[in-house]
Amino acid sequence: GQNIDQPTEMTATEGAIVQINCTYQTSGFNGLFWYQQHAGEAPTFLSYNVLDGLEEKGRFSSFLSRSKGYSYLLLKELQMKDSASYLCAVSPSGGANNLFFGTGTRLTVIP
Amino acid sequence: DVKVTQSSRYLVKRTGEKVFLECVQDMDHENMFWYRQDPGLGLRLIYFSYDVKMKEKGDIPEGYSVSREKKERFSLILESASTNQTSMYLCASSRLAATYNEQFFGPGTRLTVL
Repeated sequence: GQNIDQPTEMTATEGAIVQINCTYQTSGFNGLFWYQQHAGEAPTFLSYNVLDGLEEKGRFSSFLSRSKGYSYLLLKELQMKDSASYLCAVSPSGGANNLFFGTGTRLTVIP
Repeated sequence: DVKVTQSSRYLVKRTGEKVFLECVQDMDHENMFWYRQDPGLGLRLIYFSYDVKMKEKGDIPEGYSVSREKKERFSLILESASTNQTSMYLCASSRLAATYNEQFFGPGTRLTVL
């Protein structure tokens, strides 16, 4: 089976740094995605990791450790517009390209 | 600009009605997906399709069917709507790829069944 865990809610202060963790147990591994979803809107792509290590993209970075089944999304210099849900999704294999999603972490940025 | 569109943003139907949700993508993607999203449960896969006229069950197919007659269009059908099918429905598409398989999402349809 597939299991993806991430915290349900987090709160952080504007201008700070926040780390959202994701642990996974899947039947295979073909990459891990992070999506951002604002309330009432569609998820949008943030990052993709398939090899161990850190991928940096502006204020957002994502880390992967395949041996530990662990990833995190790091958001720096938080802005109010970063208040959203962050979804961790694992691709167990290629081919049909299904993604298995965690339940999402709702981040609230406070002034 | 890549785009996935869904036929309605909001829909209200009555119990027992047949409901059609339409999704169209303009990226020539092979894969298309239907999810429902509920608070605390995250995104759950209902059905997906990797080619025209092909379909595969996801995690929660009961009460739903799908149709893919053209590559760009994937329809979700609720044969007889029930109140427990009140949810946000999201369509997505992706390339058929050995590795990188980012999914692009439509804006969602919020369905209420009374």
